Amino acid sequence: SAVISQKPSRDICQRGTSLTIQCQVDSQVTMMFWYRQQPGQSLTLIATANQGSEATYESGFVIDKFPISRPNLTFSTLTVSNMSPEDSSIYLCSAPRGSSYNEQFFGPGTRLTVL
Amino acid sequence: EDQVTQSPEALRLQEGESSSLNCSYTVSGLRGLFWYRQDPGKGPEFLFTLYSAGEEKEKERLKATLTKKESFLHITAPKPEDSATYLCAVLWAGNNRKLIWGLGTSLAVNP
Repeated sequence: SAVISQKPSRDICQRGTSLTIQCQVDSQVTMMFWYRQQPGQSLTLIATANQGSEATYESGFVIDKFPISRPNLTFSTLTVSNMSPEDSSIYLCSAPRGSSYNEQFFGPGTRLTVL
Repeated sequence: EDQVTQSPEALRLQEGESSSLNCSYTVSGLRGLFWYRQDPGKGPEFLFTLYSAGEEKEKERLKATLTKKESFLHITAPKPEDSATYLCAVLWAGNNRKLIWGLGTSLAVNP
């Protein structure tokens, strides 16, 4: 099984600033996913990050707000830009367990609070 | 209209008291139904995938079943360590690249 780590585990940020979240997988994976989990809401996919190509964003999420990097097969970053209190959430990264990319390993999450 | 609905929202059981969690879905053309467990402060942990009505999967005290409209996660003789939020998600023909997640059932098992 893959082990996924995220940094930071939590942060408190001021409105208008940006935060970059790092996600490290202990094995090479083709796809990595970024999710948002807000209180009272279901897990929501932000984007899919493939190495060597631009991330694919889901409806309602744009690259200017959530730029993603995927420099290699074990690492990805998600930046939350120009933050507002509505961005307060848990951000999770994940990677497929095997050939079925819907069976996923998840990182522990980054709890972001925007004041 | 919610496409994936989990019930109950919260469930409290005594150790050893068996019960079931429900995940109902309204999408057509199901490509897969997935169960995950999430402990506080952690990411979801994959449990099962079910693909067709009548299919069952088991793991320790957990058994997942699937019909054409819903899935049940049966918990037999639960222990306090089974306390967690259980999430289900579906993959359907209309969007076979993205899971649709339910809100989860928060399970507490008292010793």
